[in-house]
Amino acid sequence: DQQVKQNSPSLSVQEGRISILNCDYTNSMFDYFLWYKKYPAEGPTFLISISSIKDKNEDGRFTVFLNKSAKHLSLHIVPSQPGDSAVYFCAAAGGGSNYKLTFGKGTLLTVNP
Amino acid sequence: DGGITQSPKYLFRKEGQNVTLSCEQNLNHDAMYWYRQDPGQGLRLIYYSQIVNDFQKGDIAEGYSVSREKKESFPLTVTSAQKNPTAFYLCASKTSSTDTQYFGPGTRLTVL
Repeated sequence: DQQVKQNSPSLSVQEGRISILNCDYTNSMFDYFLWYKKYPAEGPTFLISISSIKDKNEDGRFTVFLNKSAKHLSLHIVPSQPGDSAVYFCAAAGGGSNYKLTFGKGTLLTVNP
Repeated sequence: DGGITQSPKYLFRKEGQNVTLSCEQNLNHDAMYWYRQDPGQGLRLIYYSQIVNDFQKGDIAEGYSVSREKKESFPLTVTSAQKNPTAFYLCASKTSSTDTQYFGPGTRLTVL
């Protein structure tokens, strides 16, 4: 059973516009959420995270929003740049294990010039 | 320069052979992890180790083995019992005080 779901396998946006990547989770025990960015044939790079006690965290062009009641989080990238084109993974921590992350399957973002 | 290294970047083996993938970190991290990535599958946890001389199975441990004799090193052996070993393998590590894992560059294993 997939506890972290990224229902959009891909997303295409124009340069300069907003990119919104979505993630849903089912385990209400998750208390920390992370976004990673991954280029082909490279390891994922940590992007931004949010604790369950917050509903928003911002870092430059990247903002993560958390809606606990809906068990939903989203990553906003504004403005989008061609270099943002990559696969984005949502991950969740907690859920009874302090050492494991549960990953979604990823969303491929393509930013067109 | 602190970081996580995985070697080699590309590895080819014949079917039926065991192969060991290297993962080293000089970040003084306590926990280390091995993931496998297949197209459309995301990252799946193979094994993890919270401290030296201790490790636990992840979600897809069958056909794999690990050791953690040193804090800096967490090698993964892909045995001949692993039915579909061709994949991209990722090593990660973290401190005990955070949930954020940091990843190495990965090893692409191809079994011919």
